[in-house]
Amino acid sequence: DTGVSQNPRHKITKRGQNVTFRCDPISEHNRLYWYRQTLGQGPEFLTYFQNEAQLEKSRLLSDRFSAERPKGSFSTLEIQRTEQGDSAMYLCASSFRDYGYTFGSGTRLTVV
Amino acid sequence: EDQVTQSPEALRLQEGESSSLNCSYTVSGLRGLFWYRQDPGKGPEFLFTLYSAGEEKEKERLKATLTKKESFLHITAPKPEDSATYLCAVQESSRDDKIIFGKGTRLHILP
Repeated sequence: DTGVSQNPRHKITKRGQNVTFRCDPISEHNRLYWYRQTLGQGPEFLTYFQNEAQLEKSRLLSDRFSAERPKGSFSTLEIQRTEQGDSAMYLCASSFRDYGYTFGSGTRLTVV
Repeated sequence: EDQVTQSPEALRLQEGESSSLNCSYTVSGLRGLFWYRQDPGKGPEFLFTLYSAGEEKEKERLKATLTKKESFLHITAPKPEDSATYLCAVQESSRDDKIIFGKGTRLHILP
């Protein structure tokens, strides 16, 4: 296990389409986080799982966004009816308890 | 509302020219302060965690320090490969979930 894996690396979609991203955390990490990062900004928190339970959701996570972590393993982030403002880098991170985060390389979403 | 402010936004240095990056924070109680490095198109890479005022950590040409209101990332005799965005983040003591990031400092080391 070499780290946090995110797929796809890049996604271009038309406005109004649905997209889904996948994150595979480090296997022994029980916590998983989703962040969003736009150009020139730091990562912004979206949501957080401890095992399979989603414990917190940011106000940034509108009703069009949904995240799951079935069986406490990988996680998916789905965006429905994409808008141009959703264009960003979506970052996943995992940790064991709160002993520091390990980030994946991110999925860059472009909505055209 | 927690706030993390990093300065300067961007910094250009000559190779070998030492400098410091600043991170000031306002939280009701600090559980931890983190420094990350981010290269273009990649996710943040963990550098340091600091927990209490007076603590210092070092890694190669980088040294991070912490006071009650701010942290500094000192870079000594930098090389071009140190060019990256350096992100500071804080975790509030009453919570053990998310960390809040600053906007980062874009560091460019000229050969």
